[in-house]
Amino acid sequence: DQQVKQNSPSLSVQEGRISILNCDYTNSMFDYFLWYKKYPAEGPTFLISISSIKDKNEDGRFTVFLNKSAKHLSLHIVPSQPGDSAVYFCAASVGAGSYQLTFGKGTKLSVIP
Amino acid sequence: AAGVIQSPRHLIKEKRETATLKCYPIPRHDTVYWYQQGPGQDPQFLISFYEKMQSDKGSIPDRFSAQQFSDYHSELNMSSLELGDSALYFCASSWGGGGMAGYTFGSGTRLTVV
Repeated sequence: DQQVKQNSPSLSVQEGRISILNCDYTNSMFDYFLWYKKYPAEGPTFLISISSIKDKNEDGRFTVFLNKSAKHLSLHIVPSQPGDSAVYFCAASVGAGSYQLTFGKGTKLSVIP
Repeated sequence: AAGVIQSPRHLIKEKRETATLKCYPIPRHDTVYWYQQGPGQDPQFLISFYEKMQSDKGSIPDRFSAQQFSDYHSELNMSSLELGDSALYFCASSWGGGGMAGYTFGSGTRLTVV
């Protein structure tokens, strides 16, 4: 049973445009959500996170939105750059000090110059 | 800056053999996590250690064991290897639990069982 779902395996966006990556979850106990970025042959890199007490967190070109009632979160990248091309994983945890993250299957983003 | 170091980067073993994967966390990080990522799959949590004690356990087979040593490095021991164990094994580290701040991952060990 996939508790964190990323239904789009891939996404192509023109450079300079907005990239929107979506993630849905089923476990209502999750209260921390994270996005990781992964390049080939490298481990995932932490990008941005959000607590369930917020609905938005922004860090430079990256913004994460959380809709608790819909159990949905999204990552917006504006403007998209070719270097953003990577696989993006959504992850969730129960508790700020959790030892376990539950990952989605990832979305491969391609930013076209 | 120092990152999480995993060794070896690649490992080829035969069925029923044993493998040991090593992970060296970022200095001063006290928590280590192991994840398994099969082809086309999401990373699956295996096990974690905080201050050398097991802190959480996920879908780790009984054939696997792990520990964290006094210098905080960790080893994942895998016995009676099966073809399905072929995967990318990631280690990550953090200071305390990583629920909000996230962890730092290593580059992974690619295990191929033939």
